[in-house]
Amino acid sequence: EAGVTQFPSHSVIEKGQTVTLRCDPISGHDNLYWYRRVMGKEIKFLLHFVKESKQDESGMPNNRFLAERTGGTYSTLKVQPAELEDSGVYFCASRSTSGSYNEQFFGPGTRLTVL
Amino acid sequence: GNSVTQMEGPVTLSEEAFLTINCTYTATGYPSLFWYVQYPGEGLQLLLKATKADDKGSNKGFEATYRKETTSFHLEKGSVQVSDSAVYFCALSGRGSYIPTFGRGTSLIVHP
Repeated sequence: EAGVTQFPSHSVIEKGQTVTLRCDPISGHDNLYWYRRVMGKEIKFLLHFVKESKQDESGMPNNRFLAERTGGTYSTLKVQPAELEDSGVYFCASRSTSGSYNEQFFGPGTRLTVL
Repeated sequence: GNSVTQMEGPVTLSEEAFLTINCTYTATGYPSLFWYVQYPGEGLQLLLKATKADDKGSNKGFEATYRKETTSFHLEKGSVQVSDSAVYFCALSGRGSYIPTFGRGTSLIVHP
């Protein structure tokens, strides 16, 4: 079974540009999460999808960030326009709703550098 | 609110040395506690967990005991290997929540 995949693995962009990150969850996982780790800091929750619906987006830092999950499969996280403080590693995780213990499975992350 | 504090790294050890990575937490109620590990180039993996006081989580030779009186969940391993080199994250989640609160991560480097 394939794990959570994220694309790209690295992205370097100029301030003011737009970047779109993609996450493919484990097949059949209804729950999809986005997190961000700024260098040396904690991993912070951004938002949670259940299928295609946003269940909780309380962690989204501002309206320059837009997350979508059309069709309830893969998700994208767009940053427009990017600022220097957006640099960090963006993690995606997915979780099945069924099962006795619902563990989140994390992807390897996308390292975003804004210059 | 909830928070997790873990020791800063990097922690550098020789192979077969004893490892301790300290973790303390602040939370209301009775959270579940976790250690996640991120090996180079890979995603975070759940290493071990404990869901109530005095529980001991263990996996791959690593152990951590849920200490409510000291609000701690220190990670230990008796003899580390080069392959244990990774970043370790302590985390907690409140009852009914699947969204962990993470610490800052501790990088472990093990030399042959």
